[in-house]
Amino acid sequence: GAGVSQSPSNKVTEKGKDVELRCDPISGHTALYWYRQSLGQGLEFLIYFQGNSAPDKSGLPSDRFSAERTGGSVSTLTIQRTQQEDSAVYLCASSLEGVWEKLFFGSGTQLSVL
Amino acid sequence: QQQVKQSPQSLIVQKGGISIINCAYENTAFDYFPWYQQFPGKGPALLIAIRPDVSEKKEGRFTISFNKSAKQFSLHIMDSQPGDSATYFCAAFYNQGGKLIFGQGTELSVKP
Repeated sequence: GAGVSQSPSNKVTEKGKDVELRCDPISGHTALYWYRQSLGQGLEFLIYFQGNSAPDKSGLPSDRFSAERTGGSVSTLTIQRTQQEDSAVYLCASSLEGVWEKLFFGSGTQLSVL
Repeated sequence: QQQVKQSPQSLIVQKGGISIINCAYENTAFDYFPWYQQFPGKGPALLIAIRPDVSEKKEGRFTISFNKSAKQFSLHIMDSQPGDSATYFCAAFYNQGGKLIFGQGTELSVKP
């Protein structure tokens, strides 16, 4: 596709369950980012992958959060034992090598933890 | 630690007026300052950006003013239109850090 694709667009889960969120970056983009947007809050950085380098995990809020990127393309953000405070929109973005600073965002996954 | 502070949190402007959103940063290593526009249900999209070697950049009705000594930058929307109603985020980036740091966002409403 032409843009960053995220799935599902909405996810409702029960407290304590695990969830997986998927991101398909723009073809050819070697950098991939995950951000979290809570109601009334800014965009909180979670993790980013750049090429074959070790990912920058400095924004992950707890060890319940993890992410992987397979084959340098698709990424999955996993939240284990979800809590109500995990409810937010999870946004994925990608950027092109040499133009790292210009991020292209997907429409996000709205996660609701009941 | 919040490295980019944005104000105001919300803004109401009449059609045709000027919308002004301000941001301040702390880390002098930042070397790229973009503004993103977000409509409901969509991801943010790059609107306009500036590097610290210039004091102003204009694209159509949108202008960034940059004050390096004060570590502040602002977005001005001239002749604001109802279609400009959205949430605006400032951000800062430095190549060694490899990630954009965003402000808290400003919800702009332009009244007809």
